[in-house]
Amino acid sequence: GENVEQHPSTLSVQEGDSAVIKCTYSDSASNYFPWYKQELGKGPQLIIDIRSNVGEKKDQRIAVTLNKTAKHFSLHITETQPEDSAVYFCAALLSGGYQKVTFGIGTKLQVIP
Amino acid sequence: DGGITQSPKYLFRKEGQNVTLSCEQNLNHDAMYWYRQDPGQGLRLIYYSQIVNDFQKGDIAEGYSVSREKKESFPLTVTSAQKNPTAFYLCASSPRTDYSNQPQHFGDGTRLSIL
Repeated sequence: GENVEQHPSTLSVQEGDSAVIKCTYSDSASNYFPWYKQELGKGPQLIIDIRSNVGEKKDQRIAVTLNKTAKHFSLHITETQPEDSAVYFCAALLSGGYQKVTFGIGTKLQVIP
Repeated sequence: DGGITQSPKYLFRKEGQNVTLSCEQNLNHDAMYWYRQDPGQGLRLIYYSQIVNDFQKGDIAEGYSVSREKKESFPLTVTSAQKNPTAFYLCASSPRTDYSNQPQHFGDGTRLSIL
């Protein structure tokens, strides 16, 4: 089955700096890669996603890149703000049948004011 | 507002007791899912349902049961057979997935603890 590795597990940055979270996946058939942000006591919220036919996608301060050959994808947050502090999960989706989603273990991001 | 509602937010279980977690969605999604989240671990799939009156076991179904009598509702019962039920439980839903990938939408979870 699919295996998604995510690192780092914790990340501290100064406000205004950039943060990068990286994930690798094992199944080359995976073709959809969402990223979720989870605040304390809440459920994960989708913040950005990318499909396998696209190499990069950007939404304001958030961007995701995908390297299909190397089977890795990354989340980039620029100009970090204290409200970016949360746990971020990457996921890989294998299409066909139901949505078999494999999640990374999460990265706890702390933005220091 | 469309979304997923989980209740209660906090739940306590006594030894030998079954408890039921509620999940309701008004997004008109066909598929619904239950995940368990433990500290330091990713989300692990308990059960999923693609259509009404049908559901399948996920990776950690032992000690849990579900029903899907209505499209909007997918309750999860944590039975006494689940020996380590303390965790954060998340319900999710997504549109029909036969032909395209769609993101799952999550509720705000139920935290279950043992008394």
